Amino acid sequence: EVQLVESGGGLVQPGGSLRLSCAASGFTFSSYWMHWVRQGPGKGLVWVSRINNDGSSTDSADSVKGRFTISRDNAKNTLYLQMNSLRAEDTAVYYCARSALNCSGGSCSPSNYYFDYWGQGTLVTVSS
Amino acid sequence: QLVLTQSPSASASLGASVKLTCTLSSGHSSYAIAWHQQKPEKGPRYLMKLNSDGSHSKGDGIPDRFSGSSSGAERYLTISSLQSEDEGDYYCQTWGTGIQLFGGGTKLTVL
Repeated sequence: EVQLVESGGGLVQPGGSLRLSCAASGFTFSSYWMHWVRQGPGKGLVWVSRINNDGSSTDSADSVKGRFTISRDNAKNTLYLQMNSLRAEDTAVYYCARSALNCSGGSCSPSNYYFDYWGQGTLVTVSS
Repeated sequence: QLVLTQSPSASASLGASVKLTCTLSSGHSSYAIAWHQQKPEKGPRYLMKLNSDGSHSKGDGIPDRFSGSSSGAERYLTISSLQSEDEGDYYCQTWGTGIQLFGGGTKLTVL
């Protein structure tokens, strides 16, 4: 059974830092692109950042570029999000999500694709 | 610019059917989307991938009551035989090179 379990959320002051983790199990973690998505209070889903399967390529939304860093440890089956210079508007539940494999003609490859599994989320509150 | 548009709310009676719509912006009618369900205080759950030709593939354990269809730039999620447990928010998602995008979500109320 595929499982994604986030941790590391909490209350932090503006300007502070936090590192989120997402522990993956039930699948070959190193074969999938992974993402972070956030949801502000009463708001919709917003994509934050993504990393390819071997960690060599990352990308982030403009709103967090230069402040948030996504990384992964394939030996530990864990995805991370390092969040620095946090602002009140970063307050949200943060979800990790797995990109499905892109399958065509009998072969599948990891890519930036739709999300087929999500975690339960971890709450980050930025407030003084 | 790629945009996904969803109606903020929908409602239907217990046992009835409801059709939710996700509209792709002009020039993007060939894009596939995915539908996700989110119940209160829970993480989202993947429902299905829906192609522009209406073909779709559902996630593990998704009941047959959930189906998808397409027409032009519109992508639909139909839920038949509505149950109280279907109440929640429904989001469409699309993707491309360097892009991951969600619609604003539709809050479904089962009367």
